[in-house]
Amino acid sequence: AQSVAQPEDQVNVAEGNPLTVKCTYSVSGNPYLFWYVQYPNRGLQFLLKYITGDNLVKGSYGFEAEFNKSQTSFHLKKPSALVSDSALYFCAVRDDSNYQLIWGAGTKLIIKP
Amino acid sequence: GAVVSQHPSRVICKSGTSVKIECRSLDFQATTMFWYRQFPKKSLMLMATSNEGSKATYEQGVEKDKFLINHASLTLSTLTVTSAHPEDSSFYICSAKRGGPQETQYFGPGTRLLVL
Repeated sequence: AQSVAQPEDQVNVAEGNPLTVKCTYSVSGNPYLFWYVQYPNRGLQFLLKYITGDNLVKGSYGFEAEFNKSQTSFHLKKPSALVSDSALYFCAVRDDSNYQLIWGAGTKLIIKP
Repeated sequence: GAVVSQHPSRVICKSGTSVKIECRSLDFQATTMFWYRQFPKKSLMLMATSNEGSKATYEQGVEKDKFLINHASLTLSTLTVTSAHPEDSSFYICSAKRGGPQETQYFGPGTRLLVL
């Protein structure tokens, strides 16, 4: 069965420090992996995705994510956090047999000045 | 990225009335649209998937007679909450995508429904 795990409910990072939001997945076919961000009372904004090719994917707002097939992970990273990065982050996966996105539970990212 | 609009952004209604929420893909043709419900501090719960011109596929536990979904064109889907009750109060989010499984799903800004 397909699944996505975001093991941390909340991540706290000081402004200017690097941040990592973890995501692991399980699919039967080739994975298509996505990260979205949600600000309070707003819909989701697409950050980046991995389809194929280079394992390091660069996205919006300076975020990047690394696809690791052996560890079935797709962690979201940013070298230097901003207070404005504080939001709820969702990882999602789909494989080529299913058009439905499977969602992680979300990780609340808090960046402190 | 592609833009998906949702209207209204916020609605307050009396118990027993029906509410219609519109979702539009503004700059692309969406072969598939999705409706989600999100509870406070929770992840997204997929309610239904709709393809243009065909009946929506509802997830288990979602009442199709209560949550009517119409995907009339490649740019418009509507969700009608019929005979709304206070327990239907929630944040409803639509999303849309083109083509195959590698395509990105783009989300609307959400609709906050409060049933009194």
